[in-house]
Amino acid sequence: EAQVTQNPRYLITVTGKKLTVTCSQNMNHEYMSWYRQDPGLGLRQIYYSMNVEVTDKGDVPEGYKVSRKEKRNFPLILESPSPNQTSLYFCASSSPIGQGADEQYFGPGTRLTVT
Amino acid sequence: DAKTTQPTSMDCAEGRAANLPCNHSTISGNEYVYWYRQIHSQGPQYIIHGLKNNETNEMASLIITEDRKSSTLILPHATLRDTAVYYCIVRVVGTDKLIFGTGTRLQVFP
Repeated sequence: EAQVTQNPRYLITVTGKKLTVTCSQNMNHEYMSWYRQDPGLGLRQIYYSMNVEVTDKGDVPEGYKVSRKEKRNFPLILESPSPNQTSLYFCASSSPIGQGADEQYFGPGTRLTVT
Repeated sequence: DAKTTQPTSMDCAEGRAANLPCNHSTISGNEYVYWYRQIHSQGPQYIIHGLKNNETNEMASLIITEDRKSSTLILPHATLRDTAVYYCIVRVVGTDKLIFGTGTRLQVFP
């Protein structure tokens, strides 16, 4: 089954404690992205990657890091989480438009709370 | 990058067609219009997309105006399970960037 998986699904942590949210896709997609969703603000792109070792900032990259060492994985790293990073996070993957399925597949989400 | 504007909320009777409008007046020639929906806090689900021609699939139809400044998503026979937030999005060719607006909350009632 084609899917994007994220772990953990729920996480409560404290300010400053480094954490990693993993994302994996099984569709051999080139593109992967991270979004955060906050009430009243919709989904905003944090980082995206167009292929292995190629990453770029989205609209709200401050406080986050990513890496793309393998095609299937795209972890999101919070080196020093702060309460304003409390949010619902989604990972997504897709192929370039016109090169296979054009939809972006989203993971189930990770609800992060930073106290 | 183009932004989209949508009504905040809409109601639709079960079995009737739901027509969800979207304005994207600043869309560029290389930007596609995508529609997604999100049920509760689940991951957004793809519905349909198009560049300039009208499109139809098993879920919905997408009508794009000739000047591409606006579009309408049509759910031909809405069901209670179609209650969700619907996002009209533009996607730039050659990137993975999706620009989400705040969406339309569609409530389908019996």
